[in-house]
Amino acid sequence: AQSVSQHNHHVILSEAASLELGCNYSYGGTVNLFWYVQYPGQHLQLLLKYFSGDPLVKGIKGFEAEFIKSKFSFNLRKPSVQWSDTAEYFCAVNTGGFKTIFGAGTRLFVKA
Amino acid sequence: SQTIHQWPATLVQPVGSPLSLECTVEGTSNPNLYWYRQAAGRGLQLLFYSVGIGQISSEVPQNLSASRPQDRQFILSSKKLLLSDSGFYLCAWKAGFVGTQYFGPGTRLTVL
Repeated sequence: AQSVSQHNHHVILSEAASLELGCNYSYGGTVNLFWYVQYPGQHLQLLLKYFSGDPLVKGIKGFEAEFIKSKFSFNLRKPSVQWSDTAEYFCAVNTGGFKTIFGAGTRLFVKA
Repeated sequence: SQTIHQWPATLVQPVGSPLSLECTVEGTSNPNLYWYRQAAGRGLQLLFYSVGIGQISSEVPQNLSASRPQDRQFILSSKKLLLSDSGFYLCAWKAGFVGTQYFGPGTRLTVL
């Protein structure tokens, strides 16, 4: 069965630090990849997505993610985090059907 | 624009009582609809999805059921709640197979 692994469940950073959240999936075929974010008190919303083309995708608020097919990875990055980036981040994979598989989430806390 | 509503926002129910959570989508036709349960550290667990009126696919056998009486209405139910049903329930919609899922605000259910 397909699965998605997020390596860190909790991350604490100071403002201006760089961020990288790991995401690996288990599926050998074509995938569509997503990062969703849930800010405190807000709906879960799309941060960025990869369907095809350039494996480096850019999303909202300065986030980017790189799809490395050989590593089955889709890591999320941001060069300099802000206090407002405090949120829970979910990696998700769709393999072409109706279902999207989500990772367990990473809670990021950014200290001001 | 599309909007997704869920109610109630919070619910406290005794063990053994029935449950009905409602989700409605506005601004789109024939959406694929999803019910998830979000538990801390466990990500989003897909419970049910529906690709059309009256069609329900169950992902996890458990104490819950779902129905889709209208194109843009999705209901999560239980005849008798268990303590383990406590959690945060999210409704989502998606257009087609592949694409972004759009989430509702969620219902926090506490079973005592």
